[in-house]
Amino acid sequence: EIVLTQSPGTLSLSPGERATLSCRASQSVSSSYLAWYQQKPGQAPRLLIYGASSRATGIPDRFSGSGSGTDFTLTISRLEPEDFAVYYCQQYGSSPRKFTFGPGTKVDIK
Amino acid sequence: EVQLVESGGVVVQPGGSLRLSCAASGFTFNDYAMHWVRQAPGKGLEWVSLISWDGAGTYYADSVKGRFTISRDNRKNSLYLQMNSLTTEDTALYYCAKASGRISGYYFDSWGQGTLVTVSS
Repeated sequence: EIVLTQSPGTLSLSPGERATLSCRASQSVSSSYLAWYQQKPGQAPRLLIYGASSRATGIPDRFSGSGSGTDFTLTISRLEPEDFAVYYCQQYGSSPRKFTFGPGTKVDIK
Repeated sequence: EVQLVESGGVVVQPGGSLRLSCAASGFTFNDYAMHWVRQAPGKGLEWVSLISWDGAGTYYADSVKGRFTISRDNRKNSLYLQMNSLTTEDTALYYCAKASGRISGYYFDSWGQGTLVTVSS
Protein backbone atom coordinates (compact mmCIF):
# COMPACT_ATOMS: atom_id res chain seq x y z
CA GLU A 1 0.00 0.00 0.00
CA ILE A 2 1.40 3.39 -1.01
CA VAL A 3 1.69 5.98 1.75
CA LEU A 4 1.92 9.69 0.94
CA THR A 5 3.92 12.05 3.15
CA GLN A 6 3.60 15.81 2.82
CA SER A 7 6.08 18.39 4.02
CA PRO A 8 6.22 20.72 5.68
CA GLY A 9 3.21 20.27 7.89
CA THR A 10 2.77 24.03 8.08
CA LEU A 11 4.26 26.70 5.85
CA SER A 12 4.16 30.27 7.12
CA LEU A 13 4.60 32.81 4.34
CA SER A 14 3.62 36.33 3.38
CA PRO A 15 1.46 37.34 0.41
CA GLY A 16 3.59 37.65 -2.69
CA GLU A 17 6.04 34.96 -1.60
CA ARG A 18 6.61 31.66 -3.34
CA ALA A 19 5.29 28.47 -1.75
CA THR A 20 6.82 25.07 -2.41
CA LEU A 21 4.91 22.05 -1.08
CA SER A 22 6.27 18.52 -1.19
CA CYS A 23 4.47 15.18 -1.53
CA ARG A 24 6.53 12.01 -1.24
CA ALA A 25 5.24 8.52 -1.98
CA SER A 26 6.49 5.35 -0.30
CA GLN A 27 6.65 3.67 -3.74
CA SER A 28 6.81 4.99 -7.27
CA VAL A 29 3.56 6.51 -8.50
CA SER A 30 2.60 7.09 -12.10
CA SER A 31 2.45 10.81 -12.76
CA SER A 32 -1.00 10.27 -14.27
CA TYR A 33 -2.22 9.16 -10.87
CA LEU A 34 -1.13 12.15 -8.74
CA ALA A 35 -3.43 15.09 -7.93
CA TRP A 36 -3.46 18.12 -5.66
CA TYR A 37 -6.41 19.76 -3.86
CA GLN A 38 -6.94 22.98 -1.96
CA GLN A 39 -9.27 23.19 1.02
CA LYS A 40 -10.24 26.39 2.75
CA PRO A 41 -11.88 26.41 6.21
CA GLY A 42 -15.52 25.38 6.04
CA GLN A 43 -15.31 24.53 2.36
CA ALA A 44 -15.08 21.37 0.31
CA PRO A 45 -11.77 20.48 -1.32
CA ARG A 46 -11.15 21.84 -4.81
CA LEU A 47 -9.14 20.08 -7.50
CA LEU A 48 -6.06 22.12 -8.44
CA ILE A 49 -3.73 19.80 -10.33
CA TYR A 50 -4.17 16.38 -11.92
CA GLY A 51 -1.72 14.15 -13.73
CA ALA A 52 0.97 15.71 -11.53
CA SER A 53 1.22 18.87 -13.66
CA SER A 54 -2.07 19.68 -15.42
CA ARG A 55 -4.11 22.53 -13.98
CA ALA A 56 -7.79 21.91 -13.48
CA THR A 57 -10.35 24.16 -15.13
CA GLY A 58 -10.30 27.70 -13.78
CA ILE A 59 -7.13 27.31 -11.72
CA PRO A 60 -4.80 30.33 -11.99
CA ASP A 61 -1.43 29.80 -13.59
CA ARG A 62 0.39 30.77 -10.40
CA PHE A 63 -0.32 27.15 -9.36
CA SER A 64 1.96 24.55 -10.90
CA GLY A 65 2.71 20.91 -10.26
CA SER A 66 5.79 18.89 -11.05
CA GLY A 67 7.59 15.70 -10.17
CA SER A 68 7.70 12.02 -10.95
CA GLY A 69 8.34 8.67 -9.33
CA THR A 70 8.16 9.24 -5.59
CA ASP A 71 8.64 13.01 -5.35
CA PHE A 72 6.05 15.56 -6.38
CA THR A 73 5.83 19.31 -5.81
CA LEU A 74 3.07 21.90 -5.81
CA THR A 75 4.35 25.44 -6.34
CA ILE A 76 2.42 28.66 -5.85
CA SER A 77 4.52 31.28 -7.56
CA ARG A 78 3.18 34.34 -5.74
CA LEU A 79 0.80 33.84 -2.85
CA GLU A 80 -2.47 35.71 -3.01
CA PRO A 81 -4.57 36.25 0.15
CA GLU A 82 -7.06 33.62 -1.03
CA ASP A 83 -4.33 30.95 -1.32
CA PHE A 84 -3.91 30.50 2.42
CA ALA A 85 -5.44 27.08 2.92
CA VAL A 86 -4.64 23.40 3.39
CA TYR A 87 -3.27 21.49 0.42
CA TYR A 88 -3.57 17.73 -0.05
CA CYS A 89 -1.89 15.43 -2.52
CA GLN A 90 -3.71 12.28 -3.61
CA GLN A 91 -2.75 9.18 -5.53
CA TYR A 92 -4.71 6.46 -7.29
CA GLY A 93 -3.77 2.83 -6.85
CA SER A 94 -4.99 0.30 -9.38
CA SER A 95 -4.30 -2.96 -7.63
CA PRO A 96 -6.29 -3.00 -5.48
CA ARG A 97 -8.29 -0.02 -6.70
CA LYS A 98 -8.07 2.62 -4.00
CA PHE A 99 -7.33 6.27 -3.44
CA THR A 100 -4.95 7.71 -0.86
CA PHE A 101 -4.49 11.25 0.43
CA GLY A 102 -1.48 12.78 2.07
CA PRO A 103 -1.92 14.35 5.52
CA GLY A 104 -1.93 17.88 4.12
CA THR A 105 0.19 21.01 4.28
CA LYS A 106 -1.28 24.13 5.83
CA VAL A 107 -0.16 27.38 4.24
CA ASP A 108 -0.78 30.19 6.68
CA ILE A 109 -0.04 33.88 6.83
CA LYS A 110 3.25 34.83 8.42
CA GLU B 1 -22.15 23.69 -13.64
CA VAL B 2 -21.69 20.50 -11.66
CA GLN B 3 -23.73 20.41 -8.45
CA LEU B 4 -23.54 17.69 -5.82
CA VAL B 5 -25.81 17.98 -2.80
CA GLU B 6 -25.44 15.51 0.04
CA SER B 7 -28.07 14.77 2.66
CA GLY B 8 -28.89 12.31 5.40
CA GLY B 9 -26.26 13.11 7.98
CA VAL B 10 -27.54 12.99 11.57
CA VAL B 11 -26.52 11.98 15.07
CA VAL B 12 -26.71 8.19 15.43
CA GLN B 13 -25.83 5.82 18.24
CA PRO B 14 -22.90 3.38 18.00
CA GLY B 15 -24.05 0.23 16.24
CA GLY B 16 -26.68 2.12 14.32
CA SER B 17 -27.32 2.51 10.61
CA LEU B 18 -27.72 5.45 8.28
CA ARG B 19 -28.16 6.08 4.56
CA LEU B 20 -26.59 9.09 2.93
CA SER B 21 -27.76 10.49 -0.40
CA CYS B 22 -26.17 12.72 -3.01
CA ALA B 23 -28.21 14.48 -5.69
CA ALA B 24 -26.22 15.26 -8.81
CA SER B 25 -26.90 17.79 -11.56
CA GLY B 26 -25.08 19.75 -14.24
CA PHE B 27 -23.45 16.76 -15.92
CA THR B 28 -24.40 13.43 -17.46
CA PHE B 29 -24.52 11.41 -14.25
CA ASN B 30 -24.45 7.98 -15.88
CA ASP B 31 -21.23 8.81 -17.71
CA TYR B 32 -19.13 8.98 -14.55
CA ALA B 33 -18.08 6.93 -11.58
CA MET B 34 -18.78 8.48 -8.19
CA HIS B 35 -17.10 8.47 -4.80
CA TRP B 36 -17.67 9.07 -1.13
CA VAL B 37 -14.83 10.75 0.76
CA ARG B 38 -14.93 11.63 4.45
CA GLN B 39 -13.17 14.01 6.80
CA ALA B 40 -13.20 13.55 10.56
CA PRO B 41 -13.38 16.80 12.55
CA GLY B 42 -10.07 18.61 12.32
CA LYS B 43 -8.48 15.80 10.32
CA GLY B 44 -7.50 15.05 6.75
CA LEU B 45 -9.34 13.46 3.86
CA GLU B 46 -10.08 9.73 3.67
CA TRP B 47 -11.46 8.00 0.58
CA VAL B 48 -14.39 5.76 1.52
CA SER B 49 -15.91 4.16 -1.55
CA LEU B 50 -16.21 4.19 -5.35
CA ILE B 51 -18.93 3.02 -7.71
CA SER B 52 -18.54 2.73 -11.48
CA TRP B 53 -20.86 4.47 -13.91
CA ASP B 54 -23.18 1.49 -14.19
CA GLY B 55 -22.97 0.28 -10.60
CA ALA B 56 -21.27 -2.93 -11.64
CA GLY B 57 -18.01 -2.10 -9.88
CA THR B 58 -17.87 -1.11 -6.23
CA TYR B 59 -14.77 -0.58 -4.11
CA TYR B 60 -14.22 0.24 -0.46
CA ALA B 61 -11.58 1.42 1.96
CA ASP B 62 -10.52 -1.31 4.36
CA SER B 63 -11.91 0.75 7.25
CA VAL B 64 -15.50 0.42 5.97
CA LYS B 65 -15.46 -2.83 4.00
CA GLY B 66 -18.28 -5.13 5.04
CA ARG B 67 -20.16 -2.33 6.83
CA PHE B 68 -20.83 0.27 4.13
CA THR B 69 -22.54 -0.23 0.76
CA ILE B 70 -22.38 2.25 -2.08
CA SER B 71 -25.10 2.35 -4.73
CA ARG B 72 -26.54 4.62 -7.37
CA ASP B 73 -29.76 5.25 -9.26
CA ASN B 74 -28.96 6.68 -12.68
CA ARG B 75 -32.66 7.36 -13.36
CA LYS B 76 -32.69 9.71 -10.37
CA ASN B 77 -29.13 11.07 -10.78
CA SER B 78 -28.46 9.99 -7.22
CA LEU B 79 -25.68 8.34 -5.25
CA TYR B 80 -26.13 6.57 -1.93
CA LEU B 81 -24.08 5.24 0.97
CA GLN B 82 -25.66 2.72 3.32
CA MET B 83 -23.72 2.74 6.58
CA ASN B 84 -24.18 -0.09 9.09
CA SER B 85 -22.53 -1.02 12.39
CA LEU B 86 -21.41 2.55 12.90
CA THR B 87 -18.68 3.37 15.41
CA THR B 88 -17.39 6.64 16.80
CA GLU B 89 -14.53 6.34 14.29
CA ASP B 90 -17.08 6.95 11.51
CA THR B 91 -17.88 10.44 12.80
CA ALA B 92 -17.03 12.73 9.88
CA LEU B 93 -18.20 15.07 7.20
CA TYR B 94 -19.07 12.87 4.23
CA TYR B 95 -18.47 14.30 0.77
CA CYS B 96 -19.88 13.06 -2.49
CA ALA B 97 -17.33 13.51 -5.28
CA LYS B 98 -17.45 13.07 -9.03
CA ALA B 99 -14.83 10.81 -10.55
CA SER B 100 -12.78 11.79 -13.56
CA GLY B 101 -13.80 8.69 -15.52
CA ARG B 102 -16.46 6.06 -16.07
CA ILE B 103 -14.87 3.17 -14.19
CA SER B 104 -12.95 5.10 -11.54
CA GLY B 105 -10.81 7.84 -13.02
CA TYR B 106 -7.73 8.91 -11.14
CA TYR B 107 -8.95 11.93 -9.19
CA PHE B 108 -12.01 13.78 -7.89
CA ASP B 109 -12.93 16.69 -10.10
CA SER B 110 -16.01 18.05 -8.30
CA TRP B 111 -17.14 17.87 -4.68
CA GLY B 112 -20.33 18.50 -2.75
CA GLN B 113 -20.41 20.50 0.46
CA GLY B 114 -20.73 17.42 2.64
CA THR B 115 -23.16 16.02 5.19
CA LEU B 116 -22.16 15.53 8.81
CA VAL B 117 -22.46 12.13 10.45
CA THR B 118 -21.97 12.04 14.21
CA VAL B 119 -21.83 8.69 15.98
CA SER B 120 -22.38 9.21 19.66
CA SER B 121 -24.31 7.74 22.55
